[in-house]
Amino acid sequence: DAGITQSPRYKITETGRQVTLMCHQTWSHSYMFWYRQDLGHGLRLIYYSAAADITDKGEVPDGYVVSRSKTENFPLTLESATRSQTSVYFCASSEVWTVTAEQYFGPGTRLTVT
Amino acid sequence: AQSVSQHNHHVILSEAASLELGCNYSYGGTVNLFWYVQYPGQHLQLLLKYFSGDPLVKGIKGFEAEFIKSKFSFNLRKPSVQWSDTAEYFCAVNAADRGSTLGRLYFGRGTQLTVWP
Repeated sequence: DAGITQSPRYKITETGRQVTLMCHQTWSHSYMFWYRQDLGHGLRLIYYSAAADITDKGEVPDGYVVSRSKTENFPLTLESATRSQTSVYFCASSEVWTVTAEQYFGPGTRLTVT
Repeated sequence: AQSVSQHNHHVILSEAASLELGCNYSYGGTVNLFWYVQYPGQHLQLLLKYFSGDPLVKGIKGFEAEFIKSKFSFNLRKPSVQWSDTAEYFCAVNAADRGSTLGRLYFGRGTQLTVWP
């Protein structure tokens, strides 16, 4: 199906483990984004990417690593998971990135770090 | 930093009741405003958006929102809700940093709407 998908949808991991969240989009959008959603904070931007091999930090990048070797994929890696990274993670994409651009969101990944 | 406030964290209504969800933002420049909705188990999807022109914008599924610049508000309304409107609603503001054309999307914390049949 066309659109933006995330995997896994649910993940439980232990403190200190590395975990990778996957994001895949079929529109060939240039821009991709990772957000986390926490109670009391809404969605906050972790990292974004303007194109393959171009990434930059957002509002809350600490403890996360991203890569973008292909336009359609934008994985997010927690190198050593901490309990504070328990959250719902949303991936998004957009064709352009201007003040009028709409972002299209994936279904989210609910991550629990024990 | 820009901020978006949604004062209603959880709203519970009966079917056919009217809905108004508040959204206020702090940014003095030009903004573009969005309401997103997330139905249970589904993607975040766009309900409506405001860029310019008529401050009363209509979206999908009978929703509308009014931009009041003097109040920095963009409240979402629906005259008669249905059980299927049960979802989480997010207000978002896309605001460019000074001297930039890149928009940064700032979200409110979301409002959970529960509609009882």
